[in-house]
Amino acid sequence: DTGVSQDPRHKITKRGQNVTFRCDPISEHNRLYWYRQTLGQGPEFLTYFQNEAQLEKSRLLSDRFSAERPKGSFSTLEIQRTEQGDSAMYLCASTAGAGVTDTQYFGPGTRLTVL
Amino acid sequence: AQSVTQLGSHVSVSEGALVLLRCNYSSSVPPYLFWYVQYPNQGLQLLLKYTSAATLVKGINGFEAEFKKSETSFHLTKPSAHMSDAAEYFCAVSDSPGGDYKLSFGAGTTVTVRA
Repeated sequence: DTGVSQDPRHKITKRGQNVTFRCDPISEHNRLYWYRQTLGQGPEFLTYFQNEAQLEKSRLLSDRFSAERPKGSFSTLEIQRTEQGDSAMYLCASTAGAGVTDTQYFGPGTRLTVL
Repeated sequence: AQSVTQLGSHVSVSEGALVLLRCNYSSSVPPYLFWYVQYPNQGLQLLLKYTSAATLVKGINGFEAEFKKSETSFHLTKPSAHMSDAAEYFCAVSDSPGGDYKLSFGAGTTVTVRA
């Protein structure tokens, strides 16, 4: 069990550029969540997958954001035409089951800075 | 939607002193509550969770929390602070109208431990 991994850990980009982040969940975890954490705040839910199906998207996820989990394993989060307001830590979490008490295991996050 | 409020964005304690972090929730249904810890440049780690069993929940690293329905609270305590407890702590509630079980987090409390 190697834990949830995220790549890259840090990304600096210029406004208007596209960026893509990757999350590798714990092996055989079927649920995967994306959260965004801005400075001084707790994480906020963005979207989640049950296997390869994206089942819910937050209103925070504008049309510039897209997430995929093509084979039910790793997931990618893409932001198009980045804006300075997108600067945040993007966290990924996975759970083994689909119950309310299943623990969400978090990755170390990808810190995005948009200049 | 369910939500949590953490009282106090910063707490400073002396090594060996009691750590008390406050969390109040708002929910129209029995909540599922969590405390997570985040060390610098790391992801969130689960300390403990309340899932409607015992009201006093014991977690890792000597932390515990008590669910008090009458006060809508879920405060986190540790009898004796250690330098390694310096971190940011988040209270969260599971918000799952459709079985998504996404977490709604408070703004966090930063703990510093004085030698």
